[in-house]
Amino acid sequence: DVKVTQSSRYLVKRTGEKVFLECVQDMDHENMFWYRQDPGLGLRLIYFSYDVKMKEKGDIPEGYSVSREKKERFSLILESASTNQTSMYLCASSLEGTGYTFGSGTRLTVV
Amino acid sequence: AQSVTQLDSQVPVFEEAPVELRCNYSSSVSVYLFWYVQYPNQGLQLLLKYLSGSTLVKGINGFEAEFNKSQTSFHLRKPSVHISDTAEYFCAVSVWGGSYIPTFGRGTSLIVHP
Repeated sequence: DVKVTQSSRYLVKRTGEKVFLECVQDMDHENMFWYRQDPGLGLRLIYFSYDVKMKEKGDIPEGYSVSREKKERFSLILESASTNQTSMYLCASSLEGTGYTFGSGTRLTVV
Repeated sequence: AQSVTQLDSQVPVFEEAPVELRCNYSSSVSVYLFWYVQYPNQGLQLLLKYLSGSTLVKGINGFEAEFNKSQTSFHLRKPSVHISDTAEYFCAVSVWGGSYIPTFGRGTSLIVHP
C-alpha cells in the first residue's frame, strides 16, 4: 500500500515563526497536494505539484509556499505563521486521477 | 470546473439501521468519483471509488455507492451501521484526463447512536 507520512501530528508555533511541514510518499507518485481543513469549510487546496520542482497554486496559497526538490517529498512552508493559519493540514499523493492517498494530518496551532 | 455537493451536513442514525449519505456533482466531462472517511484527528481513508464499469461499487467496511449519471449522483449506503462508523465522510470528484486535482464536498458527519 502507498504510504504518505507527515512528519508531525501536532505542532505548536509562535506568531511570526517560519514553519515547515514535511510530507513523504513511498510509491513514486507524480502528483502531491497540500490541503488545509477547517470546520464547516471542508478541504481547501493550498498548493499542488505534478513533478519535481514544479508547483501550482491552489485555492488559498496566500501566506504559504512549497518545495519539491525530490519526487517523494513535498514540503509546505508558512513564511511567517499567523493565528489564522491554525488548522489541520493534510498532504496527499496520487499517480493519476484514480485515487488519492492521504497522510495522517498535522494539527498546527499558532499562538 | 467540477463541483461537489453533499446534501446533509449531519446524519444521525441508530445502530443497526440503514444509512444513505448523499452526494451530487456537476461536471461537463466524464469523472472519477470517490468516498473518503475521516476518523477524529486522522487523515482521510479511501472507502471506495468509481472509475468506470459497473455503476454499483463496493468498498471497505460494508459500504457501497451507486453512480447515477443521469442524476449526477454518487450516494453512499450501508445496510446496517455500527457505532464505529461514526466519522466524517467526504465525497470527491476528479476529471478524466484533467489536472487530477480532486474537488471535495464539505463533508457529512455520520453520528451513530446506540
